[in-house]
Amino acid sequence: QQQVKQSPQSLIVQKGGISIINCAYENTAFDYFPWYQQFPGKGPALLIAIRPDVSEKKEGRFTISFNKSAKQFSLHIMDSQPGDSATYFCAASKGDYKLSFGAGTTVTVRA
Amino acid sequence: NAGVTQTPKFQVLKTGQSMTLQCAQDMNHNSMYWYRQDPGMGLRLIYYSASEGTTDKGEVPNGYNVSRLNKREFSLRLESAAPSQTSVYFCASSEPRTSGGWETQYFGPGTRLLVL
Repeated sequence: QQQVKQSPQSLIVQKGGISIINCAYENTAFDYFPWYQQFPGKGPALLIAIRPDVSEKKEGRFTISFNKSAKQFSLHIMDSQPGDSATYFCAASKGDYKLSFGAGTTVTVRA
Repeated sequence: NAGVTQTPKFQVLKTGQSMTLQCAQDMNHNSMYWYRQDPGMGLRLIYYSASEGTTDKGEVPNGYNVSRLNKREFSLRLESAAPSQTSVYFCASSEPRTSGGWETQYFGPGTRLLVL
């Protein structure tokens, strides 16, 4: 049973549009929420991460929004580019460095 | 600096055969992990090793064994492969999280395993 539920499974966005991926968790002991990006044939790589004491974190075109009361967090990709086409995984851990991953979202950016 | 390397890249096995997946990291990390990735399931932790000489079960350890050979190397062994073990296997490494800090897991390129 996955501890982190991710949606949607896939999405298609036009170049310049906004991609939004949502994740929800149940375990309130989670205190670290990273997002990983994976290109075809490659291993995942850390994209951006947030702690629950912050409601938003932005790095370039990528923003994490965190809602502690709703136990939800999301990744927003602004001004999406074809190079952003990849699979994105949300994850969570509770200080023991065991990451629980969501199922993944495949993002396709159409030029 | 190669990061995390895995061999082989691709392997085909017959049911019942055994094999060992190799992983090495050159970042002097203490922690190493083995995951499997299946469509619609994300990455699931098979085993991890917090330091040289220690290993612990993850979410899906059945059918696998691991060896932390030294600080650099962490191998995953399938003693009797089954079709259900067809998957992409990723090795990762990290440093333990410092107080208030992040923990980043660095992943290798993966091994695609097909069990017939």
